Amino acid sequence: GENVEQHPSTLSVQEGDSAVIKCTYSDSASNYFPWYKQELGKRPQLIIDIRSNVGEKKDQRIAVTLNKTAKHFSLHITETQPEDSAVYFCASNYGGSQGNLIFGKGTKLSVKP
Amino acid sequence: GAGVSQSPSNKVTEKGKDVELRCDPISGHTALYWYRQSLGQGLEFLIYFQGNSAPDKSGLPSDRFSAERTGGSVSTLTIQRTQQEDSAVYLCASSSDRTRNEQFFGPGTRLTVL
Repeated sequence: GENVEQHPSTLSVQEGDSAVIKCTYSDSASNYFPWYKQELGKRPQLIIDIRSNVGEKKDQRIAVTLNKTAKHFSLHITETQPEDSAVYFCASNYGGSQGNLIFGKGTKLSVKP
Repeated sequence: GAGVSQSPSNKVTEKGKDVELRCDPISGHTALYWYRQSLGQGLEFLIYFQGNSAPDKSGLPSDRFSAERTGGSVSTLTIQRTQQEDSAVYLCASSSDRTRNEQFFGPGTRLTVL
């Protein structure tokens, strides 16, 4: 079946450093790639997304890059802060559909002060 | 405005009992999704409702799991004859045609099967 692989599963960085999380997908019809942040005990929330018609999108300290040829996309967080500590999930839309998302298994990011 | 709500927030049940979990999506959202999240794990897709179309049930793990969405709004996920491996957080999400793809999650129901 369709699959989204996410690496690393855990990531620890010092405050102020950058963090990069990578995902690969298998469905060539996918055209929407969101990233969700889930703080401990809370619901996942969308932090940034990218559609297949662009290669990069940035929002303050976070950015996402997409390589459709290689079927991978990455989340970049610069100048990390302790409040960035959370589990981050990537996803892609199955079959290019409007709704159905397939999620990666998540990356637990820890930012040490 | 009000976000996605779910009830109950916690449910403890005995093995073999049936449970019903409820989801109230954001008003006007046409799509509704159910996911399961086991401890420390990712989001496992269960079922997807879009408007009046037949639901996508491809993620339901067994025939003990079913879901309904009445009147295009509230949804109920039913688990029959619960097993200990059903213990997880069940998350509901909704999205609208206007926002396209962005899913808004509810707080989840933590199910514990003893």
